[in-house]
Amino acid sequence: KAGVTQTPRYLIKTRGQQVTLSCSPISGHRSVSWYQQTPGQGLQFLFEYFSETQRNKGNFPGRFSGRQFSNSRSEMNVSTLELGDSALYLCASSRTGSDGYTFGSGTRLTVV
Amino acid sequence: EDQVTQSPEALRLQEGESSSLNCSYTVSGLRGLFWYRQDPGKGPEFLFTLYSAGEEKEKERLKATLTKKESFLHITAPKPEDSATYLCAVQALIGGGADGLTFGKGTHLIIQP
Repeated sequence: KAGVTQTPRYLIKTRGQQVTLSCSPISGHRSVSWYQQTPGQGLQFLFEYFSETQRNKGNFPGRFSGRQFSNSRSEMNVSTLELGDSALYLCASSRTGSDGYTFGSGTRLTVV
Repeated sequence: EDQVTQSPEALRLQEGESSSLNCSYTVSGLRGLFWYRQDPGKGPEFLFTLYSAGEEKEKERLKATLTKKESFLHITAPKPEDSATYLCAVQALIGGGADGLTFGKGTHLIIQP
């Protein structure tokens, strides 16, 4: 059974640029959530998508956005990158969003 | 605002030395409490979900328990391969549905041979 797949694994971007990260959930999972992990703040919830609709949103600025496609694959976009956006971005999928989440290995974003 | 506090931040044990990790939480309405383990360079790996006070779950050397204010992860006779960061998270009930997970900072566990 394939797990949650995130691409790319590593990314280096320059301050001011934008970036798009991709997540393919486990087959049959309709909920996809995104989290940011940093040494200082730990894991923080960004947003959740279910059946192509944003269902929940964390406390992050509007530069962080996402979307979900009809096949449940999801993308996350960060515009106007700042140095503080350097982090591990994790995607997690679930059948319903209330039955436990399976995480991917993450995308390590470095902003220089 | 939902909050999760884990203690201790770090714990070093000898192989076979049992111990417990603590997770204290405040949440408006608890949908579930989750335990994950995370190895360096990897995403969190699901261990348990607990839904109500008094509930207990076990898996190999791990046992998770839940009260109305905290959860414990008991590790019995740990082995070096149990070394990892253990994360606790709560999910709140909101508007008939469930919110995103609120995580604690984790307990970094090292088991020495």
